Amino acid sequence: DGGITQSPKYLFRKEGQNVTLSCEQNLNHDAMYWYRQDPGQGLRLIYYSQIVNDFQKGDIAEGYSVSREKKESFPLTVTSAQKNPTAFYLCASSMAGLRGNQPQHFGDGTRLSIL
Amino acid sequence: DQQVKQNSPSLSVQEGRISILNCDYTNSMFDYFLWYKKYPAEGPTFLISISSIKDKNEDGRFTVFLNKSAKHLSLHIVPSQPGDSAVYFCAANTGNQFYFGTGTSLTVIP
Repeated sequence: DGGITQSPKYLFRKEGQNVTLSCEQNLNHDAMYWYRQDPGQGLRLIYYSQIVNDFQKGDIAEGYSVSREKKESFPLTVTSAQKNPTAFYLCASSMAGLRGNQPQHFGDGTRLSIL
Repeated sequence: DQQVKQNSPSLSVQEGRISILNCDYTNSMFDYFLWYKKYPAEGPTFLISISSIKDKNEDGRFTVFLNKSAKHLSLHIVPSQPGDSAVYFCAANTGNQFYFGTGTSLTVIP
């Protein structure tokens, strides 16, 4: 089945530790995105990538890093510089980049908590 | 600054009746609007969308209305079913970004 797979579903981070969230899609979508959801808030864009080896910062990129070495994969690293990392992280993809009236398809999310 | 707002955090309706979820936006440059449905511990699922050149789009029990002059978007679900109980997010797009509302939790009472 085609879709977006995020792993792990739950992740715990110690203070000062970097962690990487995985996102893989087999939809042959060009664009991929990372969002963060906090209680009572909408989804906020962290990073997005329209093509391989290229990515752009979203509204809240500080403390995060990404890579896009393959079309199928867009991992997100939450660095120790992110002082409030506890949140629900969602990965999404779409066909024609961020334009062209194409909806995004989402994974089931990773919940990150601080130990 | 929240460019897309859903002012009702929750809504309860009886099964078989109409559910109306509302969304307001501030950016007149938005040209594509979407509704997503989200169950707990899952990612949002795309439901229906509308381009800014239209004022209505229908898909089965779901209809989205767009009032550009009022910068208002609504989702109508008729008839509502218990399986529709979920959190609904509206989103708007322009250029390189999508902007999401905070969501409305819909409960359909059997």
